[in-house]
Amino acid sequence: KAGVTQTPRYLIKTRGQQVTLSCSPISGHRSVSWYQQTPGQGLQFLFEYFSETQRNKGNFPGRFSGRQFSNSRSEMNVSTLELGDSALYLCASSLTRNTEAFFGQGTRLTVV
Amino acid sequence: GIQVEQSPPDLILQEGANSTLRCNFSDSVNNLQWFHQNPWGQLINLFYIPSGTKQNGRLSATTVATERYSLLYISSSQTTDSGVYFCAAPPFGNEKLTFGTGTRLTIIP
Repeated sequence: KAGVTQTPRYLIKTRGQQVTLSCSPISGHRSVSWYQQTPGQGLQFLFEYFSETQRNKGNFPGRFSGRQFSNSRSEMNVSTLELGDSALYLCASSLTRNTEAFFGQGTRLTVV
Repeated sequence: GIQVEQSPPDLILQEGANSTLRCNFSDSVNNLQWFHQNPWGQLINLFYIPSGTKQNGRLSATTVATERYSLLYISSSQTTDSGVYFCAAPPFGNEKLTFGTGTRLTIIP
């Protein structure tokens, strides 16, 4: 059974640009959550999607957005990139809400 | 919101030693997970343990939900056990995982 797949693995972007990250959950999993990891703030929750609806959102500015498709794949978008957005972005999938979460390998974003 | 604290922040041990990592949480939680973050950043699932004790090889975990803590035991440490260990829990009525700040374990040959 394939795990959680995140693409791309690495990205370098310039300040002001926007970026889209993709996450394919484990087959059959319907819940997808996104997390940001930085050395200073640790692992922080961004948002959770279930059945194509955002169910929960963390304390991040509106530049961070996401969506989930009917096949449960999810994308997150960051617009008007800032240097502080440089981080490891991790996606987690769960069978349904409030069940064990499994993480992908992450996308490492560098903003220059 | 819920606070999750891990101790110790750093642990350096000789290969073959045993270790205990602790995770305290400030409020009731739906469940609790332990992860090992590998050098490439991926979080590897170790245990999903809302309560009780589970064992997997050299690793075991115990969660005492009523006292709001969980322990991760690593026996006969190997160099491949090195890395950062995180516990994470969602509070009741919420789905997001709140992570602790991690314990960085270094196993010296």
